[in-house]
Amino acid sequence: VQMTQSPSCLAASPGESVSISCKASKNIRNNLVWYQEKPGKANKLLIHSGSTLQSGTPSRFSGSGSGTDFTLTIRSLESEDFAVYYCQQYNEYPLTFGSGTKLEIK
Amino acid sequence: QVTLKESGPGILQPSQTLSLTCTFSGFSLSTYGMGVGWIRQPSGKGLEWLANIWWDDDKYYNPSLKNRLTISKDTSNNQAFLKITNVDTAHTATYYCARIRATVPLFDYWGQGVMVTVSS
Repeated sequence: VQMTQSPSCLAASPGESVSISCKASKNIRNNLVWYQEKPGKANKLLIHSGSTLQSGTPSRFSGSGSGTDFTLTIRSLESEDFAVYYCQQYNEYPLTFGSGTKLEIK
Repeated sequence: QVTLKESGPGILQPSQTLSLTCTFSGFSLSTYGMGVGWIRQPSGKGLEWLANIWWDDDKYYNPSLKNRLTISKDTSNNQAFLKITNVDTAHTATYYCARIRATVPLFDYWGQGVMVTVSS
């Protein structure tokens, strides 16, 4: 399953809201996760099952979608949110990731 | 507290075998539903899944590399291993291990990764 993530780079200011898209090449039901990558830190699981927040994920993060189209939305950006975000499908093997979205401070 | 830490050779030459170790704590690979996966990331590029091993010793490999990969575990010592045979410069990357929980192949805890360089 090919995962197409967009945009590859996104600039925003603290307090703004942003959305990241992830499209699957076939139906993956809701078997999608979002991870956050930050330098010097272990990758963090944010959302699983397309829209379920992992324990400890702030409520300003939300996930939506099912089938082939998914979206990660971050409301009221905080400084700690500027990072790289990846989607991953786990509906079938081989597991595949999106190419990543770098969220930068404007 | 779940932690994972990868270790590897740092640098190796083309055609050699890359051996990686994941040492973890806070869970057991003998527990139903648990697993460990390996993922890699070339510098400046995205993530590529390599292999998973489950509590029951079931294994899954990325078919693009399957003939080169061997995943294994040592339950007693809380370790998982990955070997990649006949490496080339394209295998230069940061290699991560991560925990899988509840039989679903998503990664809920990650190590910080180990950098591996393949160079002659």
